[in-house]
Amino acid sequence: DIVMTQTPSSQAVSAGEKVTMSCKSSQSLLYSENKKNYLAWYQQKPGQSPKLLISWASTRESGVPDRFIGSGSGTDFTLTISSVQAEDLAVYYCEQYYDTPLTFGSGTKLEIK
Amino acid sequence: EVQLVESGGGLVQPGRSLKLSCVASGFTFSNYGMNWIRQAPGKGLEWVAYISSGSSYIYYAETVKGRFTISRDNAKNTLYLQMTSLRSEDTALYYCARSPGSSDYWGQGVMVTVSS
Repeated sequence: DIVMTQTPSSQAVSAGEKVTMSCKSSQSLLYSENKKNYLAWYQQKPGQSPKLLISWASTRESGVPDRFIGSGSGTDFTLTISSVQAEDLAVYYCEQYYDTPLTFGSGTKLEIK
Repeated sequence: EVQLVESGGGLVQPGRSLKLSCVASGFTFSNYGMNWIRQAPGKGLEWVAYISSGSSYIYYAETVKGRFTISRDNAKNTLYLQMTSLRSEDTALYYCARSPGSSDYWGQGVMVTVSS
């Protein structure tokens, strides 16, 4: 199974600050034939279902604010929020869909100071 | 608007069975693979099972293999999860999710509690 490791487990930032969170996979998520990374980021706000923010490591879903930026390739990935807003309070999960079993990281809880 | 509505959850004793349903609307259900993903209270996300658009490909997490069966009825736009031999560790909120690769739309979830 591909193990997904997210760090930090939580972080507190003030509104307007930039935040980065990391996701590392135990094996490469880059598929050589199409040069795509099979990595997604989800946002789960309190009491809500997860919401897909980014797929293919860096493709923002329609309607997702451009302050959410996904980057990385292979085994190392980053989600950056360029200027955190109060409504970004949530747990953020990365997921690999390169192979079954699909696996998620344990999440990064973002708190707003 | 894409909608996924789960149902069928509840309180069940260990060793018993339960069948979850997920009714899809707002998209051509028969064109998409589907996932069941669960979340134990206060915990993270755990993938449970996947079924391809035409049911040709089915995969399970090792934790449920042999006990859970995923299926779909494209004529009824409905996804199912038959759960047998339930254990306390199966207690979770179960989500169905549309899966063109990543899971791009999720239902609101249905709670399954396994307890005597």
